[in-house]
Amino acid sequence: NAGVTQTPKFRVLKTGQSMTLLCAQDMNHEYMYWYRQDPGMGLRLIHYSVGEGTTAKGEVPDGYNVSRLKKQNFLLGLESAAPSQTSVYFCASSSLIGKGTEAFFGQGTRLTVV
Amino acid sequence: AQSVTQPDIHITVSEGASLELRCNYSYGATPYLFWYVQSPGQGLQLLLKYFSGDTLVQGIKGFEAEFKRSQSSFNLRKPSVHWSDAAEYFCAVGSYSSASKIIFGSGTRLSIRP
Repeated sequence: NAGVTQTPKFRVLKTGQSMTLLCAQDMNHEYMYWYRQDPGMGLRLIHYSVGEGTTAKGEVPDGYNVSRLKKQNFLLGLESAAPSQTSVYFCASSSLIGKGTEAFFGQGTRLTVV
Repeated sequence: AQSVTQPDIHITVSEGASLELRCNYSYGATPYLFWYVQSPGQGLQLLLKYFSGDTLVQGIKGFEAEFKRSQSSFNLRKPSVHWSDAAEYFCAVGSYSSASKIIFGSGTRLSIRP
């Protein structure tokens, strides 16, 4: 059971470079999320999606874009990386909350912007 | 707007002692509440969740939490901690709506004193 898989696991970028983080889930979940985790700030929601073809802004969306072209994939893009985007990024997925289920998390992507 | 507050940034308890981690939430409707644990360098693992019914919920690893609507709290407890419980603990709140999303608190780091 793969669950939620994030690629890559580590990445170093130079300021101004772009990159895409890939999240894939094999649980047929409707909802997918991207969070960033910074020391002392917990997990902050960047963007989320409630279904294929839909996306919405979370708490800290600036500097990021997302796409959900396929139900199983949720992509997070950084068009022009900045040192402030150095963080650990987590993807998660869940079924409808009302069905009594929680979010399942990937193992994280550690991104350093120099 | 949903919000979650974990007032304790860092707690140290002796092995074998009891533990209570505090969590307060703000949400207009009935919330769905979660506790997650994160070991160093790892993703997040669900400890327990509350959706409805019995306000005292049991989780994995001997943890329990009690939902108190009047106090807007969902505190996590364990009667006797083990050294392996050292980790970071996150409280989270979700909602069932067309814009469903899960919001996390800033986390409480738990250290265990031998």
